[in-house]
Amino acid sequence: KAGVTQTPRYLIKTRGQQVTLSCSPISGHRSVSWYQQTPGQGLQFLFEYFSETQRNKGNFPGRFSGRQFSNSRSEMNVSTLELGDSALYLCASSPMPQVNTEAFFGQGTRLTVV
Amino acid sequence: DAKTTQPPSMDCAEGRAANLPCNHSTISGNEYVYWYRQIHSQGPQYIIHGLKNNETNEMASLIITEDRKSSTLILPHATLRDTAVYYCIVTSGTYKYIFGTGTRLKVLA
Repeated sequence: KAGVTQTPRYLIKTRGQQVTLSCSPISGHRSVSWYQQTPGQGLQFLFEYFSETQRNKGNFPGRFSGRQFSNSRSEMNVSTLELGDSALYLCASSPMPQVNTEAFFGQGTRLTVV
Repeated sequence: DAKTTQPPSMDCAEGRAANLPCNHSTISGNEYVYWYRQIHSQGPQYIIHGLKNNETNEMASLIITEDRKSSTLILPHATLRDTAVYYCIVTSGTYKYIFGTGTRLKVLA
């Protein structure tokens, strides 16, 4: 069974540009969540999606957005990139949002903003 | 803010048990305790979770105190590959995980 796939693995962008990151969950999983990891702030929650609906959103500016498609694949977009957006972006999937199930994380996309 | 408190770092000799504590004194009745670990900036890896009973799987054991205000993750025979940052999280069914700073475990040869 394939794991959570995030593409691309590495990305370099220039300040002011926008970027789209992709996450393909484990087959059959319908819940996807996104996290940002930086050395200064650690792992921070961005969004949670289930059945194409955003269930939760973290405390990030509106430049950060996401969506989930009918096949459960998810994308997140960051517009007007800032140097501080350089981070490891992690996606996690699970069958559905219920108490007794764990999340499976991908390897992440490392974004560098120059 | 994270709802859990963990020591920032611990060392453990290879082959010995590693006991990682976590304080979650404000845990609610419907919240589970989950443990994940992250090895060198890879994606976090699920280890174990529990509600109020002690749990054991092939990776670890989870001991939750009777008042549920704290728990301990036990790696029974630590190996060098267990060197990682270990995160304790409480959640009530959403994947809006609030990660704290975790415990950096170093297993020593």
